[in-house]
Amino acid sequence: GAVVSQHPSWVICKSGTSVKIECRSLDFQATTMFWYRQFPKQSLMLMATSNEGSKATYEQGVEKDKFLINHASLTLSTLTVTSAHPEDSSFYICSALAGSNTGELFFGEGSRLTVL
Amino acid sequence: QKEVEQDPGPLSVPEGAIVSLNCTYSNSAFQYFMWYRQYSRKGPELLMYTYSSGNKEDGRFTAQVDKSSKYISLFIRDSQPSDSATYLCAMKVTGGGNKLTFGTGTQLKVEL
Repeated sequence: GAVVSQHPSWVICKSGTSVKIECRSLDFQATTMFWYRQFPKQSLMLMATSNEGSKATYEQGVEKDKFLINHASLTLSTLTVTSAHPEDSSFYICSALAGSNTGELFFGEGSRLTVL
Repeated sequence: QKEVEQDPGPLSVPEGAIVSLNCTYSNSAFQYFMWYRQYSRKGPELLMYTYSSGNKEDGRFTAQVDKSSKYISLFIRDSQPSDSATYLCAMKVTGGGNKLTFGTGTQLKVEL
């Protein structure tokens, strides 16, 4: 299957700082990527849809000014958690669309954010 | 009521057992159905992908979709300890912008 890489896999930061997470499609081009958040023993919650060359589409209840998404190229999307607080601590996962008609999504390994 | 219901488990089975994992859903517009496997602290891995009703087999894995009952299943034959993971069902509507709706996931443990 297609490979999606996420970096960093684990990050610890102080409250008030900003953290950037990268999502790359390694062997295919992805015009659309998705960002999810997952709390322990809970399902994936879609945060936003990242479209190459345009603004991201955020799900209801997700603060666009707090979770900045940039999709500058066909292989890279970034999620920046601004002014992070302990309640932002979570597992963030990206996915990329491979095959526009079938909707097959391939996921990154996830990034665990811990805000102290 | 959640759009997709999935028993979180945990489900514990002996090695070699046949495992049955299930999801029910309420939105009759769902047309694409997927099963993902997620190991602890890792991203989900696509296992099976089916469109509309019917069965699909891939090695030890069989996916079934019964749209009339709004019920999907994943069967794992000859289960192995390496199958121990959380299994997530996901589904999408046609023209839904590729937005997936996930179940909560079922935690499976295959014991020696």
